[in-house]
Amino acid sequence: EPEVTQTPSHQVTQMGQEVILRCVPISNHLYFYWYRQILGQKVEFLVSFYNNEISEKSEIFDDQFSVERPDGSNFTLKIRSTKLEDSAMYFCASRARSSTDTQYFGPGTRLTVL
Amino acid sequence: QQQVKQSPQSLIVQKGGISIINCAYENTAFDYFPWYQQFPGKGPALLIAIRPDVSEKKEGRFTISFNKSAKQFSLHIMDSQPGDSATYFCAAEYSGAGSYQLTFGKGTKLSVIP
Repeated sequence: EPEVTQTPSHQVTQMGQEVILRCVPISNHLYFYWYRQILGQKVEFLVSFYNNEISEKSEIFDDQFSVERPDGSNFTLKIRSTKLEDSAMYFCASRARSSTDTQYFGPGTRLTVL
Repeated sequence: QQQVKQSPQSLIVQKGGISIINCAYENTAFDYFPWYQQFPGKGPALLIAIRPDVSEKKEGRFTISFNKSAKQFSLHIMDSQPGDSATYFCAAEYSGAGSYQLTFGKGTKLSVIP
């Protein structure tokens, strides 16, 4: 069964450094998402991406965050200058076409900011 | 108004028992209500979902009950098994926004003891 993949599984970085989290969505999917989950808390929406542009973003997704689909397969989340509070599990998700399609999640990248 | 409130935070059930997790929402525009199951170190995986035009949906041992007037929905796991031990998240989605983002509850950690 096709699945969403994410790399790396764990990223450790120093505060103020830039990080790029990578995702490969399911190949025929059109909608892409990033969510985050701070340890022990709920999964929170960050941003959605469709037709090569951001379709919606949350208050969490400020100017320090950006997303990109640099080629036909990868979908990346960049955090420009990491803060301690960015430490979380980041999940990529993708959906085929419409609201009747399931949103599939990747295994996540655990980001630790020191 | 975007919140989804989930209870209980944790649940311990004997093998063979019934696990019940409840969720409530405020935004009447939500029109899709999935439940996700998450094992440690993994991303959320869709378990079962319902739309507000039906009051109940059953898939195997898993049943969603939906009460539109009360703005509540619940997950029932019949004949709970140790393999069901995981964190369960309810979620809600508003398809009218176009991005189909999910709003999650805080999660319920279910432990099924032999």
